[in-house]
Amino acid sequence: AQTVTQSQPEMSVQEAETVTLSCTYDTSESDYYLFWYKQPPSRQMILVIRQEAYKQQNATENRFSVNFQKAAKSFSLKISDSQLGDAAMYFCAYRSRPGDMRFGAGTRLTVKP
Amino acid sequence: GAVVSQHPSWVICKSGTSVKIECRSLDFQATTMFWYRQFPKQSLMLMATSNEGSKATYEQGVEKDKFLINHASLTLSTLTVTSAHPEDSSFYICSARAGGARSYNEQFFGPGTRLTVL
Repeated sequence: AQTVTQSQPEMSVQEAETVTLSCTYDTSESDYYLFWYKQPPSRQMILVIRQEAYKQQNATENRFSVNFQKAAKSFSLKISDSQLGDAAMYFCAYRSRPGDMRFGAGTRLTVKP
Repeated sequence: GAVVSQHPSWVICKSGTSVKIECRSLDFQATTMFWYRQFPKQSLMLMATSNEGSKATYEQGVEKDKFLINHASLTLSTLTVTSAHPEDSSFYICSARAGGARSYNEQFFGPGTRLTVL
């Protein structure tokens, strides 16, 4: 079974600074997707960024980028120029090509003004 | 992105009663729908996966007779919590995905339903 591990229950960053959230996963499959989701207090899940395992290039979405290390099964999220609106729970997720999505325990990000 | 709605957003019921939660894909046909449960300050735990017209596949430890899932159409799935008890109080989130398994199809999430059982 696939597992997703987020070892940082809480992280804090100063506004305009950069923060990196860690995620590791375990799988025996070679074709899969990895995601970072943001869950604000409204609890609506918001897709931040997606990475396809067969792509070597790290995904980037504006201020959000990932460091995908397939051999190490590591998938970290970097948030640059942090904004107050970035404060939320962040979940790392894994999905095999035909399968369902599994989530890590989450990291609560606080942004200090 | 596509929209997934849930109804109700918040429900309070008495212990022993049944509660039905609806999940609708508003602008796409969802061949697969997922139900997650999220306890306070915890992650989303997959309860079951359902494909339109088929019986749901439940995760280990989830009682299928207690959490009845129906995916009768390509735009609607329902989760019925039967004989609810206080320990069933949680936040229930549905998610929907279009298309088949061979290509990537984004999974969209509903806004969730907060269930409180007294």
